[in-house]
Amino acid sequence: DGGITQSPKYLFRKEGQNVTLSCEQNLNHDAMYWYRQDPGQGLRLIYYSQIVNDFQKGDIAEGYSVSREKKESFPLTVTSAQKNPTAFYLCASSRLASPGELFFGEGSRLTVL
Amino acid sequence: QKEVEQDPGPLSVPEGAIVSLNCTYSNSAFQYFMWYRQYSRKGPELLMYTYSSGNKEDGRFTAQVDKSSKYISLFIRDSQPSDSATYLCAMSSYGNKLVFGAGTILRVKS
Repeated sequence: DGGITQSPKYLFRKEGQNVTLSCEQNLNHDAMYWYRQDPGQGLRLIYYSQIVNDFQKGDIAEGYSVSREKKESFPLTVTSAQKNPTAFYLCASSRLASPGELFFGEGSRLTVL
Repeated sequence: QKEVEQDPGPLSVPEGAIVSLNCTYSNSAFQYFMWYRQYSRKGPELLMYTYSSGNKEDGRFTAQVDKSSKYISLFIRDSQPSDSATYLCAMSSYGNKLVFGAGTILRVKS
């Protein structure tokens, strides 16, 4: 089955530690995205990529980093510089021709202890 | 003022009711309008995708766009307990990123 796989589903981190969230897709989509979701707020875009080895900052990129070395993979690193990292993180992909039709993974919930 | 406003609810209705979910927006350049459904602890899934103004129907779901009023709606007929979820509106202008509403929590009681 085609889809997006995020791992881990739940992650706990101590303050000061970097963590990396994995996102893999087998939909052959060119575009991939990372969103953050907090209670009572809409999805906020962290980073997106439309082509391998290229990515752009979204609205809340500070404290995060990404890479796009393969079309299928778009990992997100939450660095210690991110002030409030506890959140639900969603990875998505889309065809370039239909950027509104996002396919989401099941999300990764990060809790900072 | 947020670009997209959506009442967070929760909206609680009895099974079989007609549900109306709404979003308002301020950016007149928006042309593409989407509704996503998100079950608890899951990723959102696309329900409806409409371009410009008008209605679109898919089974029990109808999406309406009124660009003159900057208002979009999602209607659910014969609501079921399985419709209980958070409904997110999203919109964009050509070539630009999506802007999401905060989501409305819907509870359908049997």
